Amino acid sequence: DQQVKQNSPSLSVQEGRISILNCDYTNSMFDYFLWYKKYPAEGPTFLISISSIKDKNEDGRFTVFLNKSAKHLSLHIVPSQPGDSAVYFCAASAGGFKTIFGAGTRLFVKA
Amino acid sequence: KAGVTQTPRYLIKTRGQQVTLSCSPISGHRSVSWYQQTPGQGLQFLFEYFSETQRNKGNFPGRFSGRQFSNSRSEMNVSTLELGDSALYLCASSFDRQGTDTQYFGPGTRLTVL
Repeated sequence: DQQVKQNSPSLSVQEGRISILNCDYTNSMFDYFLWYKKYPAEGPTFLISISSIKDKNEDGRFTVFLNKSAKHLSLHIVPSQPGDSAVYFCAASAGGFKTIFGAGTRLFVKA
Repeated sequence: KAGVTQTPRYLIKTRGQQVTLSCSPISGHRSVSWYQQTPGQGLQFLFEYFSETQRNKGNFPGRFSGRQFSNSRSEMNVSTLELGDSALYLCASSFDRQGTDTQYFGPGTRLTVL
């Protein structure tokens, strides 16, 4: 039962363009959403989060959008840089309890 | 401030053996969570400990167990290893409840079961 789904295993983008990573969830009780980035041989690192009371949160080149009615969130990276090439995990939690992660999307940013 | 450390980084075991993995959280963090990462499956939640008590548990068999010590360090044990247990095991710590607090991950322990 995958409560958090990242349907695109990989994404390739040209440097300077926008990267859009998508995530869908099924549990309407989720009230907090996070994105993590993972480089090979390292643990995931926190990137950005959003509470269910908001529909957008920005941090520099990274913006997360939340569409509660569609149970969908997305991460926008503008402009994309080669150093952004990594695996991105979407995650969600309900009431401060255990965090459920998606399967990840591998982003390739071509120079 | 030192990050989350995990030992060992790599481990090779054979089927039927047992293994213990260790995690030292960031100083001051009281919550420690364990995840299993396999290709295509993302991070599967194993369990979470807070102040030496298991607060949350994922859908893993009883062969997977853990504990947390008074200094917040945590260990994870897998008994009667199976080939399918080969994975990257990640530990993450946070100050309090791991749902809304930012989790800081260690580099992981790569377990290979032959």
